Order: sequence, then C-alpha cells, then structure tokens
Amino acid sequence: QVQLQESGPGLVKPSGTLSLTCAVSGASISSGNWWSWVRQAPGKGLEWIGEAFHSGKASYNPSLKSRVTISLDKSKNQLSLRMASVTAADTAIYYCARDHDTDDALSFWGQGTMVIVSS
Amino acid sequence: QLVLTQSPSASASLGASVKLTCTLDSGHKNYAIAWHQQQPDKGPRFLMRLNSDGNHRKGDGIPDRFSGSSSGTERYLIISGLQPEDEADYYCQTWDTGIKLFGGGTKLTVL
Repeated sequence: QVQLQESGPGLVKPSGTLSLTCAVSGASISSGNWWSWVRQAPGKGLEWIGEAFHSGKASYNPSLKSRVTISLDKSKNQLSLRMASVTAADTAIYYCARDHDTDDALSFWGQGTMVIVSS
Repeated sequence: QLVLTQSPSASASLGASVKLTCTLDSGHKNYAIAWHQQQPDKGPRFLMRLNSDGNHRKGDGIPDRFSGSSSGTERYLIISGLQPEDEADYYCQTWDTGIKLFGGGTKLTVL
C-alpha cells in the first residue's frame, strides 16, 4: 500500500522559504506517476500547488508558479516542496499526494503537515 | 476555463440517502472527476474516480453505499444509508494536461 508522510518546519518567518519533504513507502518515486502537493488554509478548501514526474518535468498552479519548486529525490524516495517569499496567506496544512496508475485522480494522500507563517 | 462548482452545504437524516453534485463548466462536459472525503480534523481520502458515462472506480475499502453517477456536466456522489461518520467535507477534483483543480467543497451534515 502506498504511504506518504510529510515533514518539515511548522513555523516559517514572513518573506522566508517554506521547505517540506514527503517520504514515500510502498511505491517508487521513479514510477510512472505524478506526485503532487496540495494545501488547505484554515477553514478553507483544497488548493492544488503543483506536481512532479520522475523525468524532472513539473507543473504548477499558475497562481503560485513564480514561488514554487517541486522536485523528486530518487535516492531517498521522497518529494520536496519549496515555496519562496511566504506570507501569512501561505499558512496552511500541506499534503502530498499521488495519482493513480491509470489516471490523474489523486488516489493516495499523506496525513498533512501544518505550516504557520509568522514572525 | 476548467471550473468545478459545488454547493457549500448539504444535509440529510441518519439512514437516508443524499446526492452531492459537482458541476463542470460546459466546455469540459466529458471530463472525469474524482471525489474525496475529508472528515473533521483529518486529511482527504480518495473515494472514487467518476467518468462522464457514470462508470466509476472506487478506492480501496470504500463501502458499497458510496456510488457515483453522471449527467451532462454534472457529476454526482450518492451516499445511501447515511452513517454518523459520513458527516464530512466532500471535494470533487479534475485534471487536464499540466493542471489539477478542486471544487470548493460541500459540507455534509448528518441530522
């Protein structure tokens, strides 16, 4: 069974860089799947941040594209998220997720990690 | 532009059935979607992928009382025999080349 576990600092200063990792077990990060990051601000809905493929290709939400980098580390079997120039609006629970083998439905989710942007 | 629209809230009685709706914009009426459930203070859980013809693929361990259907631009999640644990937020999700997006979510209250 695919399992995803997010980790990273729970507190980031405004204008700083948010960095999170997602450890993957039960599947290879080098498989033919897209690996996504999704976030949820307090009391709000789900927002797709972007995704990456093992070839190095990545796609991003246009509203976040200028600040976000998603990458895969094959040696550690994990994916990473970096978001620059954060503000309080980036305070959210961040989830990693993977699509299905045959379509782009996000079929596996991590438990999420809370990130607060505050000085 | 690819857009998903959901009603903010719905309610139904314990043991009853409820149909939640996710509407695609008219330019993408043949697109498949996925339904996800988010119980209070938990992460999302994949329920099913739902095609435009109503065929659906459910996630592992999803009870039979969860099903889906489609009509035109509308995609439905039907929950029969409502249980207390079905009180949750339900999100639809779709995708195109290089993009994924979610509907705004429907908060289901079990009375």
